[in-house]
Amino acid sequence: AQSVSQHNHHVILSEAASLELGCNYSYGGTVNLFWYVQYPGQHLQLLLKYFSGDPLVKGIKGFEAEFIKSKFSFNLRKPSVQWSDTAEYFCAVNGGDSNYQLIWGAGTKLIIKP
Amino acid sequence: SQTIHQWPATLVQPVGSPLSLECTVEGTSNPNLYWYRQAAGRGLQLLFYSVGIGQISSEVPQNLSASRPQDRQFILSSKKLLLSDSGFYLCAWSPGTSWPSTDTQYFGPGTRLTVL
Repeated sequence: AQSVSQHNHHVILSEAASLELGCNYSYGGTVNLFWYVQYPGQHLQLLLKYFSGDPLVKGIKGFEAEFIKSKFSFNLRKPSVQWSDTAEYFCAVNGGDSNYQLIWGAGTKLIIKP
Repeated sequence: SQTIHQWPATLVQPVGSPLSLECTVEGTSNPNLYWYRQAAGRGLQLLFYSVGIGQISSEVPQNLSASRPQDRQFILSSKKLLLSDSGFYLCAWSPGTSWPSTDTQYFGPGTRLTVL
């Protein structure tokens, strides 16, 4: 069965630091990949997604993610974080034997120190 | 534009009491609808999904049930709550243009349920 791993459950950074959050999945076939973000007190919302094409995907608020099929990874990056990026970030995957179901990582809580 | 509503936002219920959480979507027709439970440190777990009125699929055996009495209404219920039902429940929708759906899912604000 499909599984998604987010290796860092808590990350603390200072403003202007670079960010990379890891996401690895287990299925080797065609997948659709998502990063969702939940800001404090707000709805879970889509940050970016990859379905096909250019493996480097750009999302909202300066975030990007790179799909590396050989590594089963879809890491989220931002070159310079801001205090407002404090949130919980979730990686999700569907495809393979779970076409309709999003399989979710456990989430990474990101705290940006001003 | 599409919006999704959930209520109540928070709920405290005694063990053994019934439960009814409601989710409605506006601005779209024939959406795919989903109920998730979010547990701290464990991501989201899909509980139920629905591709149309009266069509409910369950992903995990549990004390909960779901119904879709109208196209844009999705209800999560229980006859007798257990302590283990405490959690954060999220409703989501995706465009009903295809199934299996690989579209983005859009989430409601969630309901925090505490069973005492």
